[in-house]
Amino acid sequence: GEDVEQSLFLSVREGDSSVINCTYTDSSSTYLYWYKQEPGAGLQLLTYIFSNMDMKQDQRLTVLLNKKDKHLSLRIADTQTGDSAIYFCAEMKTGGGNKLTFGTGTQLKVEL
Amino acid sequence: GAVVSQHPSRVICKSGTSVKIECRSLDFQATTMFWYRQFPKQSLMLMATSNEGSKATYEQGVEKDKFLINHASLTLSTLTVTSAHPEDSSFYICSARAVSGRAGNEQFFGPGTRLTVL
Repeated sequence: GEDVEQSLFLSVREGDSSVINCTYTDSSSTYLYWYKQEPGAGLQLLTYIFSNMDMKQDQRLTVLLNKKDKHLSLRIADTQTGDSAIYFCAEMKTGGGNKLTFGTGTQLKVEL
Repeated sequence: GAVVSQHPSRVICKSGTSVKIECRSLDFQATTMFWYRQFPKQSLMLMATSNEGSKATYEQGVEKDKFLINHASLTLSTLTVTSAHPEDSSFYICSARAVSGRAGNEQFFGPGTRLTVL
């Protein structure tokens, strides 16, 4: 996880938007992903973006990619208590054998 | 969606024993499976990449003789932790990549296995 960094914690109020940020170091990344992990469970793929895209929107989720700054963000609109979880970004590098490098994870807490 | 199962979900064993964890792709064939380890409040660290019918590729620092991986079929990979010690206690997660992958070569993750070594 040293190559991909995230802030550790984010707290928002229900109904507000959440923005989770991620920075990566490898400019050869082909795909970038966002995963959600609830306590004691595996990872659920939320969305992904190809490296030649700037933005991708999927219902309440919006992914923004700034390749120049190697910055990825996930915006969750109208955040609900069920969104409380740990969110990991991950990158897949060119020629990396489809291996994923995960970020450090951001714990999102949604308060009433 | 594609489903990956792991068995057991939780195991407690005595120090010195070996533990086998199974990872199955239930509704698709997986040419490649990945094994990760996750310590509390930390990220996932890739341990090894397992390709069906061939030897696993281990990441730097992972002992291949301690963490035995077998990928005998397109739907099953096993991880055996040999002579387990308390420091091997962790959350082990597998993922599987489909033969005909969707855009992004998506990996589907299992629910994880919590190993506690006493």
